[in-house]
Amino acid sequence: NAGVTQTPKFQVLKTGQSMTLQCAQDMNHEYMSWYRQDPGMGLRLIHYSVGAGITDQGEVPNGYNVSRSTTEDFPLRLLSAAPSQTSVYFCASGPRTRELFFGEGSRLTVL
Amino acid sequence: DQQVKQNSPSLSVQEGRISILNCDYTNSMFDYFLWYKKYPAEGPTFLISISSIKDKNEDGRFTVFLNKSAKHLSLHIVPSQPGDSAVYFCAASEVLTGGGNKLTFGTGTQLKVEL
Repeated sequence: NAGVTQTPKFQVLKTGQSMTLQCAQDMNHEYMSWYRQDPGMGLRLIHYSVGAGITDQGEVPNGYNVSRSTTEDFPLRLLSAAPSQTSVYFCASGPRTRELFFGEGSRLTVL
Repeated sequence: DQQVKQNSPSLSVQEGRISILNCDYTNSMFDYFLWYKKYPAEGPTFLISISSIKDKNEDGRFTVFLNKSAKHLSLHIVPSQPGDSAVYFCAASEVLTGGGNKLTFGTGTQLKVEL
């Protein structure tokens, strides 16, 4: 059972480059979200989606775009990477209850 | 404005003793609370939860207590084992107007269980 799959696991970017972090889940969950984890800051919500075609901003959305064309996929796009976006990114999904299932994380470094 | 706070960044406990991890929140709209456990280089995994209508929930060695009037919850691990060494995140849930629930996380507490 794959659960939540994130790719890539590691990425190094130069300032100004763009990239997409991929997230896929095979549990037919309606809810999907992206968090970033920074030292001393915990997990902060970037964007979330309550279903295909529906997305909304979390607490730290600036510099990131998302789309939800299918139930399974929820990619996170960085249009012009900045050093402040160096972080570990987690994708999570869940049914319309409470618990979230997390991917293993994607470590991004922006030089 | 941090709505979920874990004021202890680290905690060290001897094997077999009780571990108590604390969490405070400020948003009265939170109606469900969860604890997640995270090992290095892995994603967080769900541990235990409690609804705001309860004051205690127990699952094996893990018990969560909720004090709504104080806006405080705690996680008790008895007895603590070396495999419990991890970062523990407190999370609080609120219902979204568009459906689903949004989780707000604390900053985490690094628990170390020593032999």
